[in-house]
Amino acid sequence: QQQVKQSPQSLIVQKGGISIINCAYENTAFDYFPWYQQFPGKGPALLIAIRPDVSEKKEGRFTISFNKSAKQFSLHIMDSQPGDSATYFCAASETYSGGGADGLTFGKGTHLIIQP
Amino acid sequence: EPEVTQTPSHQVTQMGQEVILRCVPISNHLYFYWYRQILGQKVEFLVSFYNNEISEKSEIFDDQFSVERPDGSNFTLKIRSTKLEDSAMYFCASSESNRGRTDTQYFGPGTRLTVL
Repeated sequence: QQQVKQSPQSLIVQKGGISIINCAYENTAFDYFPWYQQFPGKGPALLIAIRPDVSEKKEGRFTISFNKSAKQFSLHIMDSQPGDSATYFCAASETYSGGGADGLTFGKGTHLIIQP
Repeated sequence: EPEVTQTPSHQVTQMGQEVILRCVPISNHLYFYWYRQILGQKVEFLVSFYNNEISEKSEIFDDQFSVERPDGSNFTLKIRSTKLEDSAMYFCASSESNRGRTDTQYFGPGTRLTVL
């Protein structure tokens, strides 16, 4: 099964708070887990990504937590700002052993609103 | 900063007509992708392309779809006979390499296809 399940569908957080978005996957062959941020009218832009050899990765205010045994990963946005208001997609892919190109399987997205 | 570009930004067509969506990937990238996003839904993988051939394709990418890299810069998606359900935002993406692991995919701004 190639699905990636994402929750919540929408999230409202006060400025300065912590935004948490969760994803779960079923395909144990997945070995790359990126998060993309999308603003209205724009294409998705990579925010942060993790591979299963680590349980956490932090870049500035953004942290990915990864639980391989539970097949779950989450995005934490610390000190959330109004400019973080966007749609966030988790995604996953597996290494293409043939050396070709891997397609990403996306979650359904979370519409995040940061209230000033 | 190099970016993926797509033309046109919006394409309106009649059902049954052929459309060609165009993309210019980042110049040193070798791996190319097409995704689509039906309004309000998740981003869905269509096809990946490397070394002048399709690497991977999804169930969505049926015989009505084809991809081509006609020259050293453009990457195109053709839909031979459009259907109403083809109405969506189509995103092109590219990545520098695979190196046995998935590399970052950079997305273009998208082409909104409306089939009447």
